[in-house]
Amino acid sequence: DAKTTQPPSMDCAEGRAANLPCNHSTISGNEYVYWYRQIHSQGPQYIIHGLKNNETNEMASLIITEDRKSSTLILPHATLRDTAVYYCIVRVTDSSYKLIFGSGTRLLVRP
Amino acid sequence: GAVVSQHPSWVICKSGTSVKIECRSLDFQATTMFWYRQFPKQSLMLMATSNEGSKATYEQGVEKDKFLINHASLTLSTLTVTSAHPEDSSFYICSARDSGRGAHEQYFGPGTRLTVT
Repeated sequence: DAKTTQPPSMDCAEGRAANLPCNHSTISGNEYVYWYRQIHSQGPQYIIHGLKNNETNEMASLIITEDRKSSTLILPHATLRDTAVYYCIVRVTDSSYKLIFGSGTRLLVRP
Repeated sequence: GAVVSQHPSWVICKSGTSVKIECRSLDFQATTMFWYRQFPKQSLMLMATSNEGSKATYEQGVEKDKFLINHASLTLSTLTVTSAHPEDSSFYICSARDSGRGAHEQYFGPGTRLTVT
């Protein structure tokens, strides 16, 4: 699976959009991009995934560049409850279904 | 939404004893479950893949005789930490893949905090 690079920490103001970048320059054609988040002392929560098209759901939007070497998770109106560690994971949808977590981005939403 | 539970949520045990942690998928069947370990201020580390009705697959460096995994039903996987030592103190998290849905979503349990004294 391709390696991902994320900034260790970010912050944003409550009510503003939070844009979390992820670099996955070695991604291959059959690898998906997944985003999970982990609020302190809880299990991770699935947010969104995509292959090459931009995706949106009730939680967030995922923007993948045309060359697929990077992506951005967008939380359109961040709230204090969005403070968490956000993990960008690249994975082949093979039979193992394993998720390998990197170090993630610690997002702090400020009041 | 799909729910995964873990029991206990926290446990304290003495060094040398064994501890069993349960992971249950409450409203879906899971042929595959995963066990992770997380030390303070670190990311999740995948320990093993638990497959219903067959032996677990362990990641490199994880001692299979120390971390016993049993996945006897489609809704339950257990992790037993044998002869626990203080260095085994950690946050143990399981996840489950819904066998009846697509391959993308995995659901995580709330975690079990193990402290070995």
